Amino acid sequence: GDSVTQMEGPVTLSEEAFLTINCTYTATGYPSLFWYVQYPGEGLQLLLKATKADDKGSNKGFEATYRKETTSFHLEKGSVQVSDSAVYFCALSDHGSGNTGKLIFGQGTTLQVKP
Amino acid sequence: GAGVSQSPRYKVAKRGQDVALRCDPISGHVSLFWYQQALGQGPEFLTYFQNEAQLDKSGLPSDRFFAERPEGSVSTLKIQRTQQEDSAVYLCASSLAGADEQFFGPGTRLTVL
Repeated sequence: GDSVTQMEGPVTLSEEAFLTINCTYTATGYPSLFWYVQYPGEGLQLLLKATKADDKGSNKGFEATYRKETTSFHLEKGSVQVSDSAVYFCALSDHGSGNTGKLIFGQGTTLQVKP
Repeated sequence: GAGVSQSPRYKVAKRGQDVALRCDPISGHVSLFWYQQALGQGPEFLTYFQNEAQLDKSGLPSDRFFAERPEGSVSTLKIQRTQQEDSAVYLCASSLAGADEQFFGPGTRLTVL
C-alpha cells in the first residue's frame, strides 16, 4: 500500500540555519503531496502542497518540490526562526478512482530552533 | 464556528468503559475524516464520510470502534469497552467535496487507565 517515510528527529538548529527535512513516498497512483505542521499545543495545519510532478509548493519561506523520479518531497527553508519550532508531517493523498482522498502520514519530524 | 471543533478535548476512561468523541466540521464541508494519532507517531486513517454515508471504514482497528454522521454534519466516534492500546489523540478533519486540503480539529486526547 501507499506509504510515507520521513527523516527521524529531533532536528536541532540554530536560528538562521538552513533546514532540510527529507520525505520519500511510495504510491501506486498519482498522489498529491503535503507538508503539515503542528505547533506546540495546536492542531495540524497545512503548510504547503503540490499536486503533480515538478510542482513546487511554498509558504512562509518553506518550499518543497514534487520529484516523481526520486519519489521525494523534501521540505526546505533557507533561514529558520525560533517560531518554526514544531513537528512537521509529510503526507500524501490519492484522489484516483475509488480512493477517498484519505491522508497517509509519515511519522513526523520534530524541529527545535535555538536562538 | 470558523474551524473544526472537537469535544471533549481530554477524556480519561477506565478500561472497559465506552466513550463517545464528537466532531463539528466546517459548515458546508461534505467530507469528514477521523484519524488516530499515537504518541510520537503520525496520524493514521480510521474512517471517511461523504455527507451521511460512511464510504470507507477500512482503518477502524476493531469492531469496538464505530462512527456515525447521521445528518451529514456532526460526527461521533464511539469506542466500546476501551482498552489501554486505544489511548491516543483522535483527530477529525473536514474538506469540501473533491478538495485535497483537509482542515483539522484540535483533537481529543483519550487516556485509558
